[in-house]
Amino acid sequence: GAGVSQSPRYKVAKRGQDVALRCDPISGHVSLFWYQQALGQGPEFLTYFQNEAQLDKSGLPSDRFFAERPEGSVSTLKIQRTQQEDSAVYLCASSLGVGAYGYTFGSGTRLTVV
Amino acid sequence: KNEVEQSPQNLTAQEGEFITINCSYSVGISALHWLQQHPGGGIVSLFMLSSGKKKHGRLIATINIQEKHSSLHITASHPRDSAVYICAVTPNTGTASKLTFGTGTRLQVTL
Repeated sequence: GAGVSQSPRYKVAKRGQDVALRCDPISGHVSLFWYQQALGQGPEFLTYFQNEAQLDKSGLPSDRFFAERPEGSVSTLKIQRTQQEDSAVYLCASSLGVGAYGYTFGSGTRLTVV
Repeated sequence: KNEVEQSPQNLTAQEGEFITINCSYSVGISALHWLQQHPGGGIVSLFMLSSGKKKHGRLIATINIQEKHSSLHITASHPRDSAVYICAVTPNTGTASKLTFGTGTRLQVTL
């Protein structure tokens, strides 16, 4: 597609519920990133894929967070047993290559845990 | 101390004013990015710099690698420029492309 597409745009989850957030990157983009942005803060790195390989997951805040990109294109970020502190905007970005390439960001998924 | 610091945090300007937003960083980088985020919106990449200066329309971005400093300038500002402007760097260590973000500068341009 022309841009990075994220769905859903908004998600309200009850505490303890599992959620799945989807990112559809630009076709052919090798690198895919997930970031978490709390209200009023800059984005914080969660995880990075190079094609289907998850090369860095050092930013995932707990083992309740899991991400995959099985075919090297679409990625899913799953959060199990959601907690209120998980409320944030989850941003996906893709990049053509590895290293200092430009990024294209999706519009984000705003997750609210009630 | 954050690895990427921006100033000011908030900025109000009148239409037509020349605006400067500053970014300082403390790590070695392979590139610096200026990004724009509208309320409730996603992030748009404005510039990626590794040296010198770039210009796009009314936007100008400069970087001084030796001083670890970058500036984003907006000439003839307009209310539609109102947004959060974020500086981010690609460190030259660790995950090759991972961005480290500043906390952003919230710009409000009034008529």
